[in-house]
Amino acid sequence: EPEVTQTPSHQVTQMGQEVILRCVPISNHLYFYWYRQILGQKVEFLVSFYNNEISEKSEIFDDQFSVERPDGSNFTLKIRSTKLEDSAMYFCASSEDSLAVNTEAFFGQGTRLTVV
Amino acid sequence: AQSVTQLDSHVSVSEGTPVLLRCNYSSSYSPSLFWYVQHPNKGLQLLLKYTSAATLVKGINGFEAEFKKSETSFHLTKPSAHMSDAAEYFCVVSDRRTGRRALTFGSGTRLQVQP
Repeated sequence: EPEVTQTPSHQVTQMGQEVILRCVPISNHLYFYWYRQILGQKVEFLVSFYNNEISEKSEIFDDQFSVERPDGSNFTLKIRSTKLEDSAMYFCASSEDSLAVNTEAFFGQGTRLTVV
Repeated sequence: AQSVTQLDSHVSVSEGTPVLLRCNYSSSYSPSLFWYVQHPNKGLQLLLKYTSAATLVKGINGFEAEFKKSETSFHLTKPSAHMSDAAEYFCVVSDRRTGRRALTFGSGTRLQVQP
């Protein structure tokens, strides 16, 4: 069964460092997403991506965040200068079609980012 | 704006007894509703979805949910709990009319299953 895969599963980084979280969405999917879950809090939407551009982003997704689809398979989230409050589980997801129609998002297993 | 309220942060049941996880939603017009499950150290797995077809939706592992527009509810049920059902469950909404591409998650319900 096709699945969304994320690497690494755990990442520890020092405050101020740049991190790149990687995701391989399901191959025929066209819409890609990043969500995060700070420990003890809700899963929050960060950004959606379609046709090589951001289609929607939340207020959390500020200038220190960026996303990229550098090739035909990977989808990355970059945090330019990490802060302690960026520590969270980051989930990548993909969907075949827009969530505005009858479709669903498939999630990866997450990357746990710890900023020290 | 859309929102989801999961009424219980923790639910504990005995193995073999029914499960009820409650969810109320708010959506501007025509929601799609989902239940996702997260087992420890695993990703989010879709249990079932409602997208304007039948109001009683059957999902995997014996779970089902009923969309009740008059009550703005989408409660998740299972007739008989199994130990492997112990996990975190999320009720999720997306707004199909506005075309928002984001999912809005509830705060989650942790289900414990006692032997």
